[in-house]
Amino acid sequence: AQSVTQLGSHVSVSEGALVLLRCNYSSSVPPYLFWYVQYPNQGLQLLLKYTTGATLVKGINGFEAEFKKSETSFHLTKPSAHMSDAAEYFCAVSDGRGKLIFGQGTELSVKP
Amino acid sequence: DVKVTQSSRYLVKRTGEKVFLECVQDMDHENMFWYRQDPGLGLRLIYFSYDVKMKEKGDIPEGYSVSREKKERFSLILESASTNQTSMYLCASSLSAGHTYFGPGTRLTVT
Repeated sequence: AQSVTQLGSHVSVSEGALVLLRCNYSSSVPPYLFWYVQYPNQGLQLLLKYTTGATLVKGINGFEAEFKKSETSFHLTKPSAHMSDAAEYFCAVSDGRGKLIFGQGTELSVKP
Repeated sequence: DVKVTQSSRYLVKRTGEKVFLECVQDMDHENMFWYRQDPGLGLRLIYFSYDVKMKEKGDIPEGYSVSREKKERFSLILESASTNQTSMYLCASSLSAGHTYFGPGTRLTVT
C-alpha cells in the first residue's frame, strides 16, 4: 500500500524567505511522486513530478523537489517566496498507473 | 488544450436524494478517477476506472457507486445522499503514469 504524510498543515513564511514544504511517502513499489498546487477557488495544478532519472526535479514558478529514497522524502522548496505563492500544496504518490494517493495538504501563507 | 469537465460547479441536494455527478474528458484517457476533498484530509480516492465498463473501489467507496459506459465519461452516483457527503468532488483522468488532469470540482451541499 502507498501513503503520504505532509508535515505541517500550515506553513507561514515572509516574502523573500525560503519555502520548505515537507513530504514523506511509503510505497512497496518504485514510486512516482508529485506536487500539486491549489490556489483559492481553483482546481489542482501540477507543480512537478518525479518518475525516473534525475532525483532533483524542477517545476513551474521556481519550485523544485528532491527525491531521497533513503529518507523516503520528496520535499518541495523555493529559494524566495512571493506573495503569489500563497496556496494549498499537495504531495502525492502513484504506482505508475495514474492513481494518486494524496497527503493531507499544507497551506502556505506568505507575509509581506 | 486538454480538458476535464464536470457537470456542475455547485449543487445543493436534500438528504435521501439520488445524486449524479458527471465527468467528461476529451483526451482519450483510459484512466479516470473520483476524489473528494475535505479540509485537513486532503483528497481521498472514492472510485477509479482503468477501462470502459471497469471500476475499482478506492479508499472511501461507502455510499457511492460509479458508471463508465463510454471511455470519455465517468459518473459518480450517491444513491441516497447524506449530510456527511457534503464535500468538494474532483474528477480526474490520466494516461498511465503521465500527468493526471483534474476537473474544476463540484461543491456538493446536502441539507
